[in-house]
Amino acid sequence: KQEVTQIPAALSVPEGENLVLNCSFTDSAIYNLQWFRQDPGKGLTSLLLIQSSQREQTSGRLNASLDKSSGRSTLYIAASQPGDSATYLCARRLFSGGYQKVTFGTGTKLQVIP
Amino acid sequence: DVKVTQSSRYLVKRTGEKVFLECVQDMDHENMFWYRQDPGLGLRLIYFSYDVKMKEKGDIPEGYSVSREKKERFSLILESASTNQTSMYLCASSPLDREMDTQYFGPGTRLTVL
Repeated sequence: KQEVTQIPAALSVPEGENLVLNCSFTDSAIYNLQWFRQDPGKGLTSLLLIQSSQREQTSGRLNASLDKSSGRSTLYIAASQPGDSATYLCARRLFSGGYQKVTFGTGTKLQVIP
Repeated sequence: DVKVTQSSRYLVKRTGEKVFLECVQDMDHENMFWYRQDPGLGLRLIYFSYDVKMKEKGDIPEGYSVSREKKERFSLILESASTNQTSMYLCASSPLDREMDTQYFGPGTRLTVL
C-alpha cells in the first residue's frame, strides 16, 4: 500500500508555463509535509516545509499548499524554467511508535523544454 | 550551511563482501538516517539514530546494520553484500523532531553489487 502518492509520475512542459504537482497521503494526522527537489544522481534538497497548523508556504516562484482534511498537497511552480527540470518528491511526517516517521512519495519527474 | 557528506559517490563490490558506507554531518544534529532509493519504490528508511549509540530499525532493516559511535558519524554496514542491495543509498540528518525541523541529505552513494 502506497501511503504517499504523487501524480503524474512524469511531466513535460514548455518553458514559461505554470504547473502544479500533486501529492496525496492516506493519514491526515500529519506532523508536517515537505517538498524536495532531486537532481539526477544527487541527494535531496528541501524546497518548502508546511507545518500541520499551516495551509501554505511560498518561496520565490514556488508555492506549496496543504489540505489535511482531503489528504492532499500541491506544489505550484510559476513561470517554469529549464533549470526547474528535476524530480520533485513530497514527504509526509507523522508520529508512529513514539518516533517521527517520514514517508516519501515516488516523485514527479519534471522536464521544462526551452 | 548544513553539510552532510558521504564517503563515496560510486562503489562497486562483489557478492559476499562486507561493505561500509560512511556519513558525516557537521551541524551537531541529533538525528541521522539511512535510506535506499530504487526506481518505482521511492526512498525507504533502513535505519535511523536519535543519539550516539542508539539506533532504531526502519522499514527495511534486513541485511543491514548501523553504527553511531560519535554524534557526527553514522555508518551503514552490509555484512554480506548481495545483488539485491544494488541501489542508491542516501544519508540524512535533522536537528530534532520538532515540527519545523527538516532533514538534510547527503549526495548519495550509488552501490553496485556484482
